[in-house]
Amino acid sequence: GAVVSQHPSRVICKSGTSVKIECRSLDFQATTMFWYRQFPKQSLMLMATSNEGSKATYEQGVEKDKFLINHASLTLSTLTVTSAHPEDSSFYICSARLADTDTQYFGPGTRLTVL
Amino acid sequence: LAKTTQPISMDSYEGQEVNITCSHNNIATNDYITWYQQFPSQGPRFIIQGYKTKVTNEVASLFIPADRKSSTLSLPRVSLSDTAVYYCLVGFSGGYNKLIFGAGTRLAVHP
Repeated sequence: GAVVSQHPSRVICKSGTSVKIECRSLDFQATTMFWYRQFPKQSLMLMATSNEGSKATYEQGVEKDKFLINHASLTLSTLTVTSAHPEDSSFYICSARLADTDTQYFGPGTRLTVL
Repeated sequence: LAKTTQPISMDSYEGQEVNITCSHNNIATNDYITWYQQFPSQGPRFIIQGYKTKVTNEVASLFIPADRKSSTLSLPRVSLSDTAVYYCLVGFSGGYNKLIFGAGTRLAVHP
């Protein structure tokens, strides 16, 4: 149990385009999901906290107009990277909090490459 | 949020027991301690979580002293496939349980 999926697993896009990444909790409901970014050889950096039915809470330094987060249901959160640039190339990982155990389970990640 | 400190790297050999200690001096009363394992280009995988004393599951044990200012992840009889980065995190149980990742410990298991 407690499986989190992400789609796509990898995406390549041109500079200036927008990319949407989906995060789904497959076998549990998640009122809270989190989005992280990880650069090579570095740790995960929390970008934002996504709450079902309300606006996301962004960490300091993360542009909310560039990284649009929507948490429309208890099993789905989406991250849209708008007007992507090469510096946005990174590994994006989501997690979902299992309410009964207060444990976060992570998705497999999405590798974004902006040309 | 409590900050965690772990060794940057560790080396071990197949079949040995590995203990990774994490310090979290500013842990709050409501904080749980959670350990994750991450392989390259994969999301972190939950290993174990505890609040105090000792917790054991099928893959690891977690030892937490009474003052809870540190914790030790114990991996029995490691294999080459245990080569990974291990993260210790503390977070509030309840609320949004926001987790902030530290640098983690890069464990290398040698034949």
